[in-house]
Amino acid sequence: GDSVTQMEGPVTLSEEAFLTINCTYTATGYPSLFWYVQYPGEGLQLLLKATKADDKGSNKGFEATYRKETTSFHLEKGSVQVSDSAVYFCALSDKNTDKLIFGTGTRLQVFP
Amino acid sequence: DVKVTQSSRYLVKRTGEKVFLECVQDMDHENMFWYRQDPGLGLRLIYFSYDVKMKEKGDIPEGYSVSREKKERFSLILESASTNQTSMYLCASSLWSGGAGYSNQPQHFGDGTRLSIL
Repeated sequence: GDSVTQMEGPVTLSEEAFLTINCTYTATGYPSLFWYVQYPGEGLQLLLKATKADDKGSNKGFEATYRKETTSFHLEKGSVQVSDSAVYFCALSDKNTDKLIFGTGTRLQVFP
Repeated sequence: DVKVTQSSRYLVKRTGEKVFLECVQDMDHENMFWYRQDPGLGLRLIYFSYDVKMKEKGDIPEGYSVSREKKERFSLILESASTNQTSMYLCASSLWSGGAGYSNQPQHFGDGTRLSIL
């Protein structure tokens, strides 16, 4: 069935470093793709989404491009801040229902 | 903004108790979901509901049941709590996609309930 694979964490960076969190997916059709962020002690918040190939989602300096040819949706940010420390989840929409299929999450730790 | 409210942030119960976790959303969403989140396992879907009184099992429904009597409220019930149900529980809601498949509707999450079963 459809699935999402994220890179293992934690990812540890210094403030102002460039961030990439890899996400690849397996799907028989053309799902919508999402990135969620979970700050400590909170629920998940939608960070960005893309609904078709070559779409770029962006929010708060984060970007991700829906790459059909490589079945990827990697999350990037040019200059991370300590406040970006959180767990990031990649997800795709299910083919037959309104469920989402989540990756296992990647913890990002940013140090000053 | 969509608001999904879970009744408790922290809850401590004893083994064998019947436990109710409540979730309310204020945006008239058709879909509601219950997940549990455990370290290293990500989010796992317990149940979801796509309409009042309608429900569908998720990946790990054993030991749980749900109730959706009103559109805005979705309850998760632990029939007889056990220590392996100690976890973070997350509720979410979303708009119905129309049934075309591959929905582009995001899910909106509550802040979670951290449940400890002693």
